[in-house]
Order: sequence, then structure tokens, then C-alpha cells
Amino acid sequence: NAGVTQTPKFQVLKTGQSMTLQCAQDMNHNSMYWYRQDPGMGLRLIYYSASEGTTDKGEVPNGYNVSRLNKREFSLRLESAAPSQTSVYFCASSDWTAIKETQYFGPGTRLLVL
Amino acid sequence: QQPVQSPQAVILREGEDAVINCSSSKALYSVHWYRQKHGEAPVFLMILLKGGEQKGHEKISASFNEKKQQSSLYLTASQLSYSGTYFCGTEGAESGGSNYKLTFGKGTLLTVNP
Repeated sequence: NAGVTQTPKFQVLKTGQSMTLQCAQDMNHNSMYWYRQDPGMGLRLIYYSASEGTTDKGEVPNGYNVSRLNKREFSLRLESAAPSQTSVYFCASSDWTAIKETQYFGPGTRLLVL
Repeated sequence: QQPVQSPQAVILREGEDAVINCSSSKALYSVHWYRQKHGEAPVFLMILLKGGEQKGHEKISASFNEKKQQSSLYLTASQLSYSGTYFCGTEGAESGGSNYKLTFGKGTLLTVNP
């Protein structure tokens, strides 16, 4: 099992450009998440999908959109990138219906917006 | 509300012990502990559920005091491999385990020197 995979690993964008970050999991998990991590800020939730067909805002959703394409895939889109969106983005998945389950993280995407 | 972790950073010599605390302003259902090494994804260590249980993972253990709304991570006889940033993620008790979301602290940087 590959677990949670993310593409791309690195990306440089100019202000105003758009891009989509891809995430896929092969653990048959129901729930998927997108976080951003900035120095000294910890992990902050952008959007999440509790189950296929649903998406909800997290703590910092402004400037982002998401799509739960199917049970395996959850993408994050930046429509018009801004320097404030320079960050490391992590996707995670979880089988939240299981007792004592937690979240498993992908390797991250490092994004620089110039 | 983001849980508060203390200390923010700690430096140890190999073999020394450390305690990392995670406090919340609201009642908790579960606390999840992760370790992240520089440039890598967070890795799950353990989960503690409402009920005040204590768990262990090799020489790393944790406790959860729901009355005090806090959890502590205990690292004994530290090894060089323990170096990294430790995060707690909390789930509020109001959801009864169906919230699907975790709120992460800002992290504690642990450095173990030879």
C-alpha cells in the first residue's frame, strides 16, 4: 500500500496563477483532509471531506476550493495564488467511523508563490 | 480553539527524559499525538480517548486527564531518533467522536543531542 500520495512535491507559482494539488489514498478511508503548515503555526485545516460526496470548510478556507472526486481522491485548487499561500500543504485521510482511528498524512507539497 | 502545547522547545542529552503538555480550553473526546521530522510528514504516535487512559509506545507514553482537559506525552531515556516536532491534535467532546476533525497545537520542538 502506498498510503496517502500527493502531487506535485514542489511547485513555484507567480501571483495570480492557478493550480490544483492532487491527493489520493489507497486505504479505503472515508474521510480526507487538506492542511497547510506554516512556521510556528502548526497544522491548520483548510477543507475536509467527511465522506464521499461531502465537503466542509475548515479553519482557513479562503482562497481555496476542493473537490472530492471519488472515495480515493481529494483535490485542492488555488484559483488565483497569492504570496500568503506560500506554505507546505498536507493531505490526510482517516477511517473516522472506526473506533480509535486517527489521520494518516501524505508527504506534502511545498508551494512557493512569487 | 487551538490547544496550547508546552514547552515550545526542549533540548535533551541522550538518555534524559522529557514531558510535553497539551492543554485545551474545552472538553475533549480524544487526543492524538504525532511526531514530525524536518521536511517530512507527521507520523502518528498514539491516540487517547475520553476516559483518562494512559498508553505506551516503546519508551514513549501518554496520559489524558479529561477533567483538566489536558494530555501529556512522556519520553523516557531519550534517543537521537526522538528528535523532531511533536504535535497534539484534539477532538472536542461535543461531537462524541463524530466530529471528523482534529485541531492541532503549534508543536514542541524536541532536540536530542549525543
